[in-house]
Amino acid sequence: DGGITQSPKYLFRKEGQNVTLSCEQNLNHDAMYWYRQDPGQGLRLIYYSQIVNDFQKGDIAEGYSVSREKKESFPLTVTSAQKNPTAFYLCASSLAGGSSPLHFGNGTRLTVT
Amino acid sequence: QQQVKQSPQSLIVQKGGISIINCAYENTAFDYFPWYQQFPGKGPALLIAIRPDVSEKKEGRFTISFNKSAKQFSLHIMDSQPGDSATYFCAASMHSGYSTLTFGKGTMLLVSP
Repeated sequence: DGGITQSPKYLFRKEGQNVTLSCEQNLNHDAMYWYRQDPGQGLRLIYYSQIVNDFQKGDIAEGYSVSREKKESFPLTVTSAQKNPTAFYLCASSLAGGSSPLHFGNGTRLTVT
Repeated sequence: QQQVKQSPQSLIVQKGGISIINCAYENTAFDYFPWYQQFPGKGPALLIAIRPDVSEKKEGRFTISFNKSAKQFSLHIMDSQPGDSATYFCAASMHSGYSTLTFGKGTMLLVSP
């Protein structure tokens, strides 16, 4: 089955620690995205990548970092600089940008205490 | 500045009724308007999408109505069913491959039996 795999589903960390969220896709999509979802806030774009070894900041990139060393993988690191990291994080991919449909993973819920 | 405004935040509809969710956009360069459906604990999935060259698109019980002059579009769910209970997001983007989706804040729909 083709799709997007995010792991783990739940993640708990202590304040001050960096944490990396995994995202893998086997859809052979060029573009990948990270969104943050908070209640009542919709989906806010953190980072996106349209090609390997290249990525761009989204609307709320501060306190996050990404890498795109392989087409299939787009890990997101939530750093200790992110002031409010507790949230539901969604990874997505698409064939290209623009009007290509987004395919989402089932998310990682990160709780930082 | 929020570029896609979605209303209402939440909606309760009786089984068999019509659910209506509205969105308004500001950027006249937007030319692709999808709706995504998200069930609890899952990632969103593309439900239906429209381009501004048509005023309406229907897929089964789901219809998008588009008003270019008013910069508004809406989702109508006919004969709403309890299985339609989910969060719905409207979004907008430019057709360009370098464009990313801008999402509304979402509408939680509950269809009562």
